[in-house]
Amino acid sequence: AQKVTQAQTEISVVEKEDVTLDCVYETRDTTYYLFWYKQPPSGELVFLIRRNSFDEQNEISGRYSWNFQKSTSSFNFTITASQVVDSAVYFCALSEVYNTDKLIFGTGTRLQVFP
Amino acid sequence: DTGVSQDPRHKITKRGQNVTFRCDPISEHNRLYWYRQTLGQGPEFLTYFQNEAQLEKSRLLSDRFSAERPKGSFSTLEIQRTEQGDSAMYLCASSLDRDRLEQFFGPGTRLTVL
Repeated sequence: AQKVTQAQTEISVVEKEDVTLDCVYETRDTTYYLFWYKQPPSGELVFLIRRNSFDEQNEISGRYSWNFQKSTSSFNFTITASQVVDSAVYFCALSEVYNTDKLIFGTGTRLQVFP
Repeated sequence: DTGVSQDPRHKITKRGQNVTFRCDPISEHNRLYWYRQTLGQGPEFLTYFQNEAQLEKSRLLSDRFSAERPKGSFSTLEIQRTEQGDSAMYLCASSLDRDRLEQFFGPGTRLTVL
């Protein structure tokens, strides 16, 4: 069965701190994709990144970076020098390629960045 | 270039009433998904359309729920005889065949059943 676990329910940091959001997934497929979405208070899900199961290279985009480790079934997300605008709920999701591409989401991590 | 739109944004109804939500995907997006998100949870998949064909339904979609996409453009999700447990945010997403993995989400319809 497919499952995504985000064990951190809520994280609070002070602006400029680095923060890492954890994501652990379960799947029997060898071909799959992992995603991170941001859901700000307005409610609309915003796509951040997609990685496929064959590409374990870490990725950096500005203050955001992602660490994908198949050996531990983890896909962690780090925000460097956090800002108040980063406050949101962040969701990790899994998609199995041969399964209509529906997204299986974790329960989310609420990040609060205080000034 | 407009994004996915959903109407209404909020709906309050009494238990037992029927409600219908509409989703307009991004133009030319032939794939359309419905998800439901309850408080403190991640979105859960409900159903999926490719053009006008409904190709998958979650077991979460009881017989009180029906979704349509008659002309392969907009979609409607109807809930009959609403129950308090139906209170949730209903999210619609769309994607293109050639990049089906990038789903663009709408702002959602928040349903409150009293």
